[in-house]
Amino acid sequence: DAGVIQSPRHEVTEMGQEVTLRCKPISGHDYLFWYRQTMMRGLELLIYFNNNVPIDDSGMPEDRFSAKMPNASFSTLKIQPSEPRDSAVYFCASSLEPGRDGFTGELFFGEGSRLTVL
Amino acid sequence: AQSVTQLGSHVSVSEGALVLLRCNYSSSVPPYLFWYVQYPNQGLQLLLKYTSAATLVKGINGFEAEFKKSETSFHLTKPSAHMSDAAEYFCAVSVPWNNNDMRFGAGTRLTVKP
Repeated sequence: DAGVIQSPRHEVTEMGQEVTLRCKPISGHDYLFWYRQTMMRGLELLIYFNNNVPIDDSGMPEDRFSAKMPNASFSTLKIQPSEPRDSAVYFCASSLEPGRDGFTGELFFGEGSRLTVL
Repeated sequence: AQSVTQLGSHVSVSEGALVLLRCNYSSSVPPYLFWYVQYPNQGLQLLLKYTSAATLVKGINGFEAEFKKSETSFHLTKPSAHMSDAAEYFCAVSVPWNNNDMRFGAGTRLTVKP
C-alpha cells in the first residue's frame, strides 16, 4: 500500500508569493494532520482533519496559512503571501480513527515538503 | 495534557557501542508511547510503540524500549550501534482514545563514530 504522498518535495519561492503544498493520505485513513518542522520549534501541529472536516486549526500561525481537504484523498496547505520565516519542512500525516480495526495509534508521515522563502 | 521530554539533543556513540536515548513522559492517563526515527531529508518512520501490552517493546533495526511507569520513562536502546543508525529520534506520547493530540519531544540527534 502506498504511504502518505506529498508534493512538491522542495519548493523555493520569493517572499510574497503564494505557496501550495499537497498531500494524499493513506487510503482509508480518517485523520489527516499537517505539521511544520523547524530547528527552533521542532515539530508543530498546524491543523488536523477528521473525515475531511477541519477539527482543530489552533496551530495555524496566522491568517496567511489556510488548509483544505476537499475529499478523502487530497489536502492542501496554502501560504499566501509567503514570508522568509515560513521556511521549514512541512509534513503531512494520516491515521485511522481510534476504535477502527487496525488502529494502532500510529501516525503515518509523508516525506515532507521543504519550503524555502527567499 | 500529555508531554514528553527527551534528555540530550545530541548523543554520540562509537560504532558497536550501546545506544541509549532517554525519554520521560507526563500523562494523567495511561499513555501510548512511540519512538520515531527521521533520516536526513525523510519523514518520520515508526521504530516502535507501547500500547499497554508488554512493557518491553521491540522495534525495527534492533531497537527496543522499556515502559517504566514508576519512572515515567520510555528510553530507547540498542546493544550495538551501526553507522546506519545515525539519524534524529523523536519520542512521542498520546492517549489511547485520541491520537489527535500526539505530542513530540524535541528530538535527539544520534551520531555514530567509526
